[in-house]
Amino acid sequence: EDQVTQSPEALRLQEGESSSLNCSYTVSGLRGLFWYRQDPGKGPEFLFTLYSAGEEKEKERLKATLTKKESFLHITAPKPEDSATYLCAVQARSGGYQKVTFGIGTKLQVIP
Amino acid sequence: ETGVTQTPRHLVMGMTNKKSLKCEQHLGHNAMYWYKQSAKKPLELMFVYSLEERVENNSVPSRFSPECPNSSHLFLHLHTLQPEDSALYLCASSQSDRLAKNIQYFGAGTRLSVL
Repeated sequence: EDQVTQSPEALRLQEGESSSLNCSYTVSGLRGLFWYRQDPGKGPEFLFTLYSAGEEKEKERLKATLTKKESFLHITAPKPEDSATYLCAVQARSGGYQKVTFGIGTKLQVIP
Repeated sequence: ETGVTQTPRHLVMGMTNKKSLKCEQHLGHNAMYWYKQSAKKPLELMFVYSLEERVENNSVPSRFSPECPNSSHLFLHLHTLQPEDSALYLCASSQSDRLAKNIQYFGAGTRLSVL
């Protein structure tokens, strides 16, 4: 069974204090790894897709990396508006369709 | 207009009521999904539709009944729900359910409370 574990569950940072969120996964036949951002009362918003070990993607203060067992979401000099829950998900083939399994998320709070 | 629209945003219902959740996507996608999101739990996939045909029913109780009349619309009909069904129900769409690199785009969700 596909599994996604995110750590830490919650993270509190001072504005400008860089850190990383971890997503470790167990999946048979990884087709893709996704990062989403979810604000309170809203649906997840797509951030990145990574497909192979060694791949990296960047967007503003966020950088996602992928190895064969885990992915990191690095946040450089975060701002209060980066506060949100960050979800990791993996995609694998299941029967006739591409199944996506989500982690529980990391709730990030950035304090001014 | 946002890509995936869900209505209503909030719903309170009794255990004997019948209600429906609606989802509409404006992205030209062929696959649509229903997820349940509860506190302290990961998103749980409920149903997958591809080109209006159901391709996955993830062991969901029969009190949840999906309907997909066309590739742009998805409904979730609710009846005789239980308090533990209270959660955020999310709709998503993607270009295809079979392609790799299958990015799902989500609506804002319906916050359901069952009394």
